[in-house]
Formats: sequence, structure tokens, C-alpha cells
Amino acid sequence: GENVEQHPSTLSVQEGDSAVIKCTYSDSASNYFPWYKQELGKGPQLIIDIRSNVGEKKDQRIAVTLNKTAKHFSLHITETQPEDSAVYFCAASKVLGNYQLIWGAGTKLIIKP
Amino acid sequence: EAGVTQFPSHSVIEKGQTVTLRCDPISGHDNLYWYRRVMGKEIKFLLHFVKESKQDESGMPNNRFLAERTGGTYSTLKVQPAELEDSGVYFCASSQLSRLSYEQYFGPGTRLTVT
Repeated sequence: GENVEQHPSTLSVQEGDSAVIKCTYSDSASNYFPWYKQELGKGPQLIIDIRSNVGEKKDQRIAVTLNKTAKHFSLHITETQPEDSAVYFCAASKVLGNYQLIWGAGTKLIIKP
Repeated sequence: EAGVTQFPSHSVIEKGQTVTLRCDPISGHDNLYWYRRVMGKEIKFLLHFVKESKQDESGMPNNRFLAERTGGTYSTLKVQPAELEDSGVYFCASSQLSRLSYEQYFGPGTRLTVT
């Protein structure tokens, strides 16, 4: 069945350094790729998303890249801050989001002061 | 604008009992989704409503789970009878029925513990 693999499961970086989380999807029909951040006691919150007709998207310190040929997409966080500590999930969907999300297993990001 | 709300935030029940989870989506959102995260695993899709109709219920694990969305507003997810493997966090999300906006907005989740 469709699946999304996410790596690493845990990532610890020094404050100010960059963090990269990678995902691979299996369904070539997927065309929408959101990234969610989940803080303790809260539900997932969308931080950035990308559609299949775009290779890269940036929003301040956060960027996402998509390689459709390899079916890879990655989240890049630069100049990490303590408030970036959270669990990050990648997901993939067909029909531009009006459809179920297939989720990665999550990455626990720890920012060391 | 109020976000997606879920009730209760936490429920502890014994195996064999019944539990009903409630989700109130963002006003005006026709799409409503239920997801579940079992401990340590990825979030899994359960089902998708468009207004009051079930668009996709392919993720429902078995017939012990019943979801309803009467009137196309709030939704309930009933588990009857609950089993140990039903423990996890149940998330509800909603989104607009629009080609311009794809974001699914998530509630805080209901943590279900079956003992």
C-alpha cells in the first residue's frame, strides 16, 4: 500500500545550526506534500507545504524541496531556535489535499542550547 | 476564528466498554477527517466526511468503529466495544472544500486509554 518513510526518527542539533528531515513516498500519484509540527499536548500544525508542480518553497527559516523523479521531499530549518523543538511529520496526499494524508512516522527535533 | 475542538481530551475506559469521541470542525469547513496515532507509530487515516456524507472510510479498522456527522457539522466517533489495541490519540481535522486551500486544520486530539 501507499506509505511515506521519514528519517531520522530523532534529530539533535545545536541552536543556530540547520536541521534537515527527509521523506520518501511510494505513490507516484501524490501531488501535495505538507509538513506538520506537533508540540506537546497539541495537534499537528501545518508549517509549510508544497505541490508537485514546484521544486522548492521557502518561508523565512523554513524551506521544503521536492524531487518528483526520486519521490523524495525534505524539510530544511535554518538558524534553529529553542522553540523549534517539537515532533515534525511529513505527509503526502493526492487530489491536492482534499484527500486522506499518508503520514511519515515523525521526527523528534531537539535543539540544544 | 475558533479552531477544531475535540472532546474529551483524555478518556480512560476498560476493555469492553463504549466510548464516544466528539469533534467540532472549523465553521464552514465541509471536509472532516479522523486520524489515529497508536503509540510510537505513524498517524493513520480513519475516514473522511464531505458534509454529512462519508467520502472515504477505507481506514476504519473494523466494525467496532462507527463515525457519524449528522447535519454536516460536528462528528462523533464511537468505539464499541473497546479493545486494548484501540488505545492511542485520535485526531480530527477539517478543511475547506476548495481548490485554493488544501490545509487540514487539526484539533488537539483525544487520548484514549483502554485498560
